[in-house]
Parts: sequence; C-alpha cells; structure tokens
Amino acid sequence: AQSVTQLDSHVSVSEGTPVLLRCNYSSSYSPSLFWYVQHPNKGLQLLLKYTSAATLVKGINGFEAEFKKSETSFHLTKPSAHMSDAAEYFCVVSDPSGTYKYIFGTGTRLKVLA
Amino acid sequence: GAGVSQSPSNKVTEKGKDVELRCDPISGHTALYWYRQRLGQGLEFLIYFQGNSAPDKSGLPSDRFSAERTGESVSTLTIQRTQQEDSAVYLCASSPGTGGEPQHFGDGTRLSIL
Repeated sequence: AQSVTQLDSHVSVSEGTPVLLRCNYSSSYSPSLFWYVQHPNKGLQLLLKYTSAATLVKGINGFEAEFKKSETSFHLTKPSAHMSDAAEYFCVVSDPSGTYKYIFGTGTRLKVLA
Repeated sequence: GAGVSQSPSNKVTEKGKDVELRCDPISGHTALYWYRQRLGQGLEFLIYFQGNSAPDKSGLPSDRFSAERTGESVSTLTIQRTQQEDSAVYLCASSPGTGGEPQHFGDGTRLSIL
C-alpha cells in the first residue's frame, strides 16, 4: 500500500534563507511523486513532478526536489525563500502502473518571516 | 477553458437545504476527482470518475452525498439535507487518466452551512 508522510506540519524560515520541506513515501511500485502548493482561498497548483526520469526535479518558482529511493524521500527545497512562498505544501504519491489513487500528505504550512 | 472551473466559488446556505456544486474539467481529461478540505486540514477523497466506468464512491461520507458526471465532461456534487459539518471547501481535480500524471485542480467551492 502507498502512503505519504510529511514530517513537519509547520515550517518557519526567514526571507532569503533556504527552504526544506520533508516528505517520505511508501510504495510497492516505482511511484510518481508530486509537490503541490496551495495559497489561501485557492486550489492546489502543481510545483513539480517526478516520474522516473531524472532524480533531481526542477519546478516552478525556483523549487526543486530530489527523489532518493534508498531513503524513500522526496524533499522539497528552495535556495532562498520569498515572502510569496508562504502557503500550504502537499506531497502526493501515485501509482504509475495504472491505478488512479493519489495519496496526499497532510500538508506543511510554510511561514516566511521578514 | 484552460483549467478546471468550479462554480459557485462560494455558497452559503441554511442547514437542511440541498446544494449542488459544479465542476468543468480540462477538455480531454478522462479522470475527475472530488475532494473535501475542512479548515486547516488536508484533502479528503470523496469520489472518482474515469471515462464511462462505474465511479469509485468509496470516499462519500454519507448517503446525503452523491455525484454525477456526464460522459467525460461536467460533474455535479450534490449534498442533500446539509449539516453544519458539511462546511468545507470542495475541490475538483481532473487528470488525463493515465497512470502517474498529475492532477489539475480548480479553485474550489467554499460551502458554509448556517
């Protein structure tokens, strides 16, 4: 069975400092993994996806994530936080073999301090 | 349209009334999902449609909830005899229907039950 664990429910960083949002997954298959961002009163926007190509995935707004199979992790990083990055972030896993289930993490709320 | 469209964006209604929420997926997307997001929480899967297959209704919380989809287009989520605990944001997402592809989300319908 697949599962996703987001290790931090809240993360606070100062503007201009690095961001690290942690995600661990469990999957019987080679999974597809996604990070989404949700700003207040908005739907979820896709930041990036991993689908068994390069293990380092670059997304929008300067975010990237590295797939580490040995650690079953897919952590989201950004070198320098911006005030506009303050939002909720969700890690999601799906089974690329054809099933439709997308398993969502519980989310990490990122706060950016001026 | 270019993205997933949901209407209304906000709905306020009295307890006991029925409500209908609408979702227009991205053209060509065969898969459609409904989720519920309570305040400050993650996404709760409600129902999934894939083409003309029987929908997966396993996430519907009670028989007051139902959903329909016309072919591979518009979907409606109906909540009968609304209760205060139904207050939430209802998110719709669509995807191409092939394994491993990301979902695309609408901005949601914010439902408030008085």
